[in-house]
Amino acid sequence: KNEVEQSPQNLTAQEGEFITINCSYSVGISALHWLQQHPGGGIVSLFMLSSGKKKHGRLIATINIQEKHSSLHITASHPRDSAVYICAGGTRIGNQFYFGTGTSLTVIP
Amino acid sequence: GAVVSQHPSWVICKSGTSVKIECRSLDFQATTMFWYRQFPKQSLMLMATSNEGSKATYEQGVEKDKFLINHASLTLSTLTVTSAHPEDSSFYICSAQMLQFTGELFFGEGSRLTVL
Repeated sequence: KNEVEQSPQNLTAQEGEFITINCSYSVGISALHWLQQHPGGGIVSLFMLSSGKKKHGRLIATINIQEKHSSLHITASHPRDSAVYICAGGTRIGNQFYFGTGTSLTVIP
Repeated sequence: GAVVSQHPSWVICKSGTSVKIECRSLDFQATTMFWYRQFPKQSLMLMATSNEGSKATYEQGVEKDKFLINHASLTLSTLTVTSAHPEDSSFYICSAQMLQFTGELFFGEGSRLTVL
């Protein structure tokens, strides 16, 4: 069992739809990261969360520490949002990172 | 935002040769740098964590003599794939962290290695 589980693994949506990607973790973490990887391979850090909620444009990330769960929401999805989204938990002890397997999102025009 | 530059972005080499990949934080000092490899359609696999001035900590199953990591300064870490073989062909990515444990991660563009 992975320390970080993501769902769904693959997601296809129509342009304009509201999208949610979920991340559950079983280890104690100090921060939860949401990453975006485009087909070319480059990775961008979208959010780093330790509590509550953050918003950036059409992207919203939430985390529930007690339930060890985080969600990434995309409002008014657009084809350019098509990418792989990865959540990763960072721990204080040993500065370890645990990566989810990623969610491949395709937004159809 | 902070920029991490990785070089080269792609490299082709012959089996048995060594390849060095550089990861530089351009506008900040990185206390910690991470090296990952990624196979097609798979997520990132952390290879090692390196703190400036100390030896890298390798993940289980990663050969430290095969993948040499040097983090001599707060802005540069290098990964050397020694005596490369075709099975080492992969996408290698680095990330840099400003503050240990809780700092935001900034990723390099990745380096695609093909070993013939």
